[in-house]
This record gives sequence, structure tokens and C-alpha cells, in this order.
Amino acid sequence: GDSVTQMEGPVTLSEEAFLTINCTYTATGYPSLFWYVQYPGEGLQLLLKATKADDKGSNKGFEATYRKETTSFHLEKGSVQVSDSAVYFCALSGNTGGFKTIFGAGTRLFVKA
Amino acid sequence: EPEVTQTPSHQVTQMGQEVILRCVPISNHLYFYWYRQILGQKVEFLVSFYNNEISEKSEIFDDQFSVERPDGSNFTLKIRSTKLEDSAMYFCASKGQASNQPQHFGDGTRLSIL
Repeated sequence: GDSVTQMEGPVTLSEEAFLTINCTYTATGYPSLFWYVQYPGEGLQLLLKATKADDKGSNKGFEATYRKETTSFHLEKGSVQVSDSAVYFCALSGNTGGFKTIFGAGTRLFVKA
Repeated sequence: EPEVTQTPSHQVTQMGQEVILRCVPISNHLYFYWYRQILGQKVEFLVSFYNNEISEKSEIFDDQFSVERPDGSNFTLKIRSTKLEDSAMYFCASKGQASNQPQHFGDGTRLSIL
């Protein structure tokens, strides 16, 4: 079945450092890909999305490009802030059936001042 | 921006009791979902609901679970006889008609079984 694999955390960075969180997926067909963010004590917020190959999703300085050839959707940010500390989930949703979302295990990011 | 709302934010229940978690999806959405997240673990799909019936369910969604859309706005998850291992955060989500639209999640209900 469909699955998402993302790098294990926690990831600890200093403020203004470059962030990469790797994500790869296995899916039949052409899923849509997402990154969700969960701040401490809160729910899941959509951070960005890409719906077809070579699409780049971007939001709040975060970017991820849908790479079909490598089945990847890595999350990047050029300069992280303390406020970016959260858990980041890579996810996919198929384009048929009930469109359920399948999540990766999540990567916890700590940003130090 | 429209939101998915869930109530209550925290529910404490004795083992063996029934519990109903409530959700109000975004008003023009057609697909509805429940997910759960056991503390510190990944978010797991439970069930999807479309056109007044379950369209898909996971292995977790056994006979103890049921969903209902009792009126035009609410979407509920019922657990008939709760177990300790049902303790988790439960997220409701909804989605519009287009296949590539993302799901919008509520803030979750934290269910604690004693």
C-alpha cells in the first residue's frame, strides 16, 4: 500500500540555519503531496502542497518540490526561526477513492536562539 | 477562513463507557474523515465518509467504532466501549470535491481513558 517515509528526528538547529527534512513516498498513481506542521499542543496545519510532478509548494519561507523520478518531497527553509520549532509531517493523498491522507512519522524540529 | 471545529477539546472517560466525539466540518465540503494520534506517534487514518456512507476504513476502525452525520453540519465518531488503548488525540478533517484539494483538520479532541 501507499506509504510515506521521513527522516527521524529530532532535528536541532540554531536560528538562521538551513533546514532540510527528507521525505520519500511510495504510491500507485499520482498522489498529491503535503507538508503539515503541528505546533506544541495544537492541531495539524497545512504548510504547503504540490499536486503534480515538478510542482513546488511554498509558504512562510518553506519550500518543497514534487520529484516523481526520486519519489521525494523534501522540505527546505533557508533560515529557520525559533518560532519554527514544531513537528513536521510529510503526507500524501491518493487521487481516487476516499482520498485518505497517509502521514509519515513526523520530524520534530528544535530551533535554538 | 472557514475552519473545522471539534468538541470537546479534552474528554476524560472511564474504561468501558461510550464516548462521542463531535466535529463540524467546513460547510461546503463533501468528504469527512477521522484520524487518531497516540501520544508521540504518527497520525493514523481511521475512516472516510462520503455521500452519507463510509467510503474506506482502516483496521483500527473495528466494530467498537461508528460514524454518523446526523444533520447537515455535524460529523460524529462514537466509541461504544472504550479501552485504555483508545487514549489518543482524535482529529476530524474535511475536504472539498476536487481530488487534489487538501484536507483541513480540526484542532483535535484529546481522549483520556481511565
